[in-house]
Amino acid sequence: GAVVSQHPSWVICKSGTSVKIECRSLDFQATTMFWYRQFPKQSLMLMATSNEGSKATYEQGVEKDKFLINHASLTLSTLTVTSAHPEDSSFYICSAQKGPPDTQYFGPGTRLTVL
Amino acid sequence: ELKVEQNPLFLSMQEGKNYTIYCNYSTTSDRLYWYRQDPGKSLESLFVLLSNGAVKQEGRLMASLDTKARLSTLHITAAVHDLSATYFCAVVKETSGSRLTFGEGTQLTVNP
Repeated sequence: GAVVSQHPSWVICKSGTSVKIECRSLDFQATTMFWYRQFPKQSLMLMATSNEGSKATYEQGVEKDKFLINHASLTLSTLTVTSAHPEDSSFYICSAQKGPPDTQYFGPGTRLTVL
Repeated sequence: ELKVEQNPLFLSMQEGKNYTIYCNYSTTSDRLYWYRQDPGKSLESLFVLLSNGAVKQEGRLMASLDTKARLSTLHITAAVHDLSATYFCAVVKETSGSRLTFGEGTQLTVNP
C-alpha cells in the first residue's frame, strides 16, 4: 500500500498564531514530499517540494518565511504556517512520492481556518 | 510554463450514459496522472500514463494518452451516481523532477 496521513484534519486558529501540519507516509519511505493548497472550487497549487535532509524548494510567489517546511525523516514532513492570517485559510494537502514509476500519494488534507 | 487545461469544467449527465473528459497540456511531458476528489476529501489516484498510446481501464473509467497531440482522455462508460466527483488530470513536465501541474478539474455530477 501507500498510505499518507495528515494531522490535524482541521484546525481553527486566531490571526497571528502559528499552525503546524504534519504529513506522514505510513507504510513507505519518501525522500520527497510535496505541499499543496487548494481554495474552494479550485485546483491544487503546488507550494513547495520537501526533500529529506535538505531545504525545501518553494514555488514562485510562496513566502518561505511564512510557510516553513521541515522534512526531518523519511516518513515525516511538517508545514508551519507562521503568523497566520484569514487569507491563509485554505485546504492544505501533502503528498509523498513512491516509485517507480514515481507516483504521488496524497494525504487526506488539513482544513485551516484563521479567524 | 506548463499549462494544463481540462474540458469540460462542469459536466452533468444521466446514469447509463457515456462521456469523455479531455486534458490538454502545453509542453512535453514525462507522465500524466488522473485523480478523483470527493467533496471535502483529498485526492485518490486513478491512473498513471507513461507513454504514447497508453490506455488503462478500471471499471467504468478508461484513460488514454496521446503524447504527440499532448492530449489525454478520461472516458466514462455507463455512468453511475457513485462516479460523481471532481476529476483532475496532472502532468509532470520533463526536467522538472516530479512536480505536478494540475488541470482545473472537471466536476462531474451523475443524475439518477
